[in-house]
Amino acid sequence: EVQLVQSGAEVKKPGESLKISCKGSGYTFNTYWIGWVRQMPGKGLEWMGIIYPGDSATRYSPSFQGQVTISADKSNSTAYLQWSSLKASDTAIYYCAKLKYSSVRNWFDPWGQGTLVTVSS
Amino acid sequence: DIVLTQSPDSLPVSLGERATINCKSSQSVLDSSNNKNFLAWYQQKPGQPPKLLIYWASTREFGVPDRFSGSGSGTDFTLTISSLQAEDVAVYYCQQYYSTWYTFGQGTKLEIK
Repeated sequence: EVQLVQSGAEVKKPGESLKISCKGSGYTFNTYWIGWVRQMPGKGLEWMGIIYPGDSATRYSPSFQGQVTISADKSNSTAYLQWSSLKASDTAIYYCAKLKYSSVRNWFDPWGQGTLVTVSS
Repeated sequence: DIVLTQSPDSLPVSLGERATINCKSSQSVLDSSNNKNFLAWYQQKPGQPPKLLIYWASTREFGVPDRFSGSGSGTDFTLTISSLQAEDVAVYYCQQYYSTWYTFGQGTKLEIK
């Protein structure tokens, strides 16, 4: 079974750094794109970016370029989303999701369970 | 960016009745080289991640009940639930993957009337 398991909820202060993770299993991790999607409280889904773990090629939404860093460790089948300096407006649930097939023009399936990030002083 | 606009934002429907959700794209997501519409539909229940329902605009994902169907082409798409069940209460999103600047519709909240 293809599965994505994300790291647990985080509570941070503004200005702190953070790296959350998404571990893939049940498939060849290196050969499928993984994306990150933000869901702010009570709001909709926003695509942030994707990464191809095989060569760490990344694509970012213009809205998130420079705000976050997406990376992957193919030896550990894990993708990461990180912030160098959190803001209160980063409070949200963050989902990772695998593109269904190897092509970048594909839908997201499956999704991780989500990681709640709370940024508050 | 391709902008997806869903309507309505909220949809109250009686149990057993038909529910129809629309998704309009700011530009065509039909690829003429393969005649496929690069559009998916997801269901998100409270406290859960989104779940894939439909891809290629009209292909139902394995295990999704056949009361769910997708239709449309080009810029106008519809998700239909033929007979609403209590477990279908959720927010529904369309998503385009024609452009790899992926975008989602704003969501439609489906509730019981």
